Amino acid sequence: AQTVTQSQPEMSVQEAETVTLSCTYDTSESDYYLFWYKQPPSRQMILVIRQEAYKQQNATENRFSVNFQKAAKSFSLKISDSQLGDAAMYFCAYRRTTSGTYKYIFGTGTRLKVLA
Amino acid sequence: GAGVSQSPRYKVAKRGQDVALRCDPISGHVSLFWYQQALGQGPEFLTYFQNEAQLDKSGLPSDRFFAERPEGSVSTLKIQRTQQEDSAVYLCASSRHTSGRAHPANTGELFFGEGSRLTVL
Repeated sequence: AQTVTQSQPEMSVQEAETVTLSCTYDTSESDYYLFWYKQPPSRQMILVIRQEAYKQQNATENRFSVNFQKAAKSFSLKISDSQLGDAAMYFCAYRRTTSGTYKYIFGTGTRLKVLA
Repeated sequence: GAGVSQSPRYKVAKRGQDVALRCDPISGHVSLFWYQQALGQGPEFLTYFQNEAQLDKSGLPSDRFFAERPEGSVSTLKIQRTQQEDSAVYLCASSRHTSGRAHPANTGELFFGEGSRLTVL
């Protein structure tokens, strides 16, 4: 069974600095999606960035980028120039792309605090 | 609608009561998911619909949990004889497509509602 592990329950970063959130996963599949979702306090979860496993190039979205290491099954999120609005829970998620169950598997989350 | 809508946002139930949670997905979205999120935890999969067909209900914790999507749009999650351990936020999410990467517009992105917070006393 696939699993997603986030080993950092909480992280802090100074405003304008860079922070990296870690995620590892376990799967026997070769083709899948990986995602980082952001959940602000009392607000809905939104997609931050996604990565397709067959693409070697790391995904980037403005201040957000990932370090995808397929062999190591690692998928970290780097947030550059951190802003107060980045404070939230961040969840790493996995979904297989082949037929079968399409359920998304989430990690336990990392709470990011941004210090002014 | 513009986004995924869930109701009620908050529900307090006495132990043993039945509750029904509603999800109205984004119009045209084929896939619909229900997740349970305990306080301070990540979302845990409950069930998945493709249109009106419930293709995966492996995450439903007991036979007290039942979900339906009879016309392939609005979905209802029903919990019978609620227990204290059922207290959680129930998240609904929808997605435009179903399978893998066949469709060029399939980004695999899930769109979430704000959740229904259930408290069982």
